[in-house]
Amino acid sequence: NAGVMQNPRHLVRRRGQEARLRCSPMKGHSHVYWYRQLPEEGLKFMVYLQKENIIDESGMPKERFSAEFPKEGPSILRIQQVVRGDSAAYFCASSPQGISGANVLTFGAGSRLTVL
Amino acid sequence: GENVEQHPSTLSVQEGDSAVIKCTYSDSASNYFPWYKQELGKRPQLIIDIRSNVGEKKDQRIAVTLNKTAKHFSLHITETQPEDSAVYFCAAGAGNQFYFGTGTSLTVIP
Repeated sequence: NAGVMQNPRHLVRRRGQEARLRCSPMKGHSHVYWYRQLPEEGLKFMVYLQKENIIDESGMPKERFSAEFPKEGPSILRIQQVVRGDSAAYFCASSPQGISGANVLTFGAGSRLTVL
Repeated sequence: GENVEQHPSTLSVQEGDSAVIKCTYSDSASNYFPWYKQELGKRPQLIIDIRSNVGEKKDQRIAVTLNKTAKHFSLHITETQPEDSAVYFCAAGAGNQFYFGTGTSLTVIP
């Protein structure tokens, strides 16, 4: 089991460009979470998705940010027109089902976005 | 929504001493409380978790206690070692959502 796979591990973008971060959950996991971590800060929830559905996006900025988890392929976090304040580590995590079940949350290695 | 507070934000202990990190939560519906360890530049990794039907759980040098009435839970690390140095995050889970504390940076001094 390869675990939660995120790519790219490092991404550099100039202001105004788009950033796309990808996350493949662990095999058998159908729940995906995205978190943002600023340097020396905690994990801030952004969005929670199941296949083809956004369940909770209350932590995601309304503008420029979007997420999807299609029927086939990885989950994608998309940031349009990036600004310097978007520089952070973006962690994806997956779980086999909601926390009412066997809900261990497993994290990927993160994608570190740097906006110049 | 849930609000998880974590203290202290930084903690230094001598090797061999114990370390205690405390968290409080606000939503009485929360029923799952994991603890994650994050080493510098690495991913958060689950080290121990506890569910609301249990008051205490232990795994070698690590233990977690839960007080549902007071809505607080704590991580205890005994006989600390330099490799325990990391940032520790608590979290509270309710429904399909996990809420994290702001982290505790633990330094174990050899």
